[in-house]
Amino acid sequence: GQSLEQPSEVTAVEGAIVQINCTYQTSGFYGLSWYQQHDGGAPTFLSYNALDGLEETGRFSSFLSRSDSYGYLLLQELQMKDSASYFCAVILPRWGNTPLVFGKGTRLSVIA
Amino acid sequence: DAGVTQSPTHLIKTRGQQVTLRCSPKSGHDTVSWYQQALGQGPQFIFQYYEEEERQRGNFPDRFSGHQFPNYSSELNVNALLLGDSALYLCASSFTRQETQYFGPGTRLLVL
Repeated sequence: GQSLEQPSEVTAVEGAIVQINCTYQTSGFYGLSWYQQHDGGAPTFLSYNALDGLEETGRFSSFLSRSDSYGYLLLQELQMKDSASYFCAVILPRWGNTPLVFGKGTRLSVIA
Repeated sequence: DAGVTQSPTHLIKTRGQQVTLRCSPKSGHDTVSWYQQALGQGPQFIFQYYEEEERQRGNFPDRFSGHQFPNYSSELNVNALLLGDSALYLCASSFTRQETQYFGPGTRLLVL
């Protein structure tokens, strides 16, 4: 089976940096993705890591350590609009486009 | 370039009824995946369609079925609705062998 663990809630101050961790236990692993979802909205793709290391996209960075079955999403220069739920999702090694296995999500609240 | 579209946006049904949800993938994408997202949870994979065939399936009963058309659009059908089927149903599209999936706005289904 598969399981992903991430904190249920995180609160951070506007302008600060926040890190959302994700640990996983899966039978097979191909990569880790991160999605952002605002209330009432659809999940929006943020980043994808297939190899160990840091991937940076603007204010967002994502890190993966395959040996530790661990990854994190780093959000810098937090803005109020970053208040949303953030999901890590494991990509499993199957045929073609693999389905995503999502964690339960971390609700980020950015306060002034 | 239109993104992933879904219809309807909201739907109310009663127990025992049947429902059909529709999805048009992002231009250039040939693979459609369906997910169910209960309130406060991460999306759960239902099934995936490619070349008009169901290629992979998650842990959902046979009451959940689907179809993909030659233009790559897709339908999700749910028979004998249960109260527990109330959820946000998300469609995600991708191109073969690419890891990134793009989600539509979802259809919110309420079963009374």
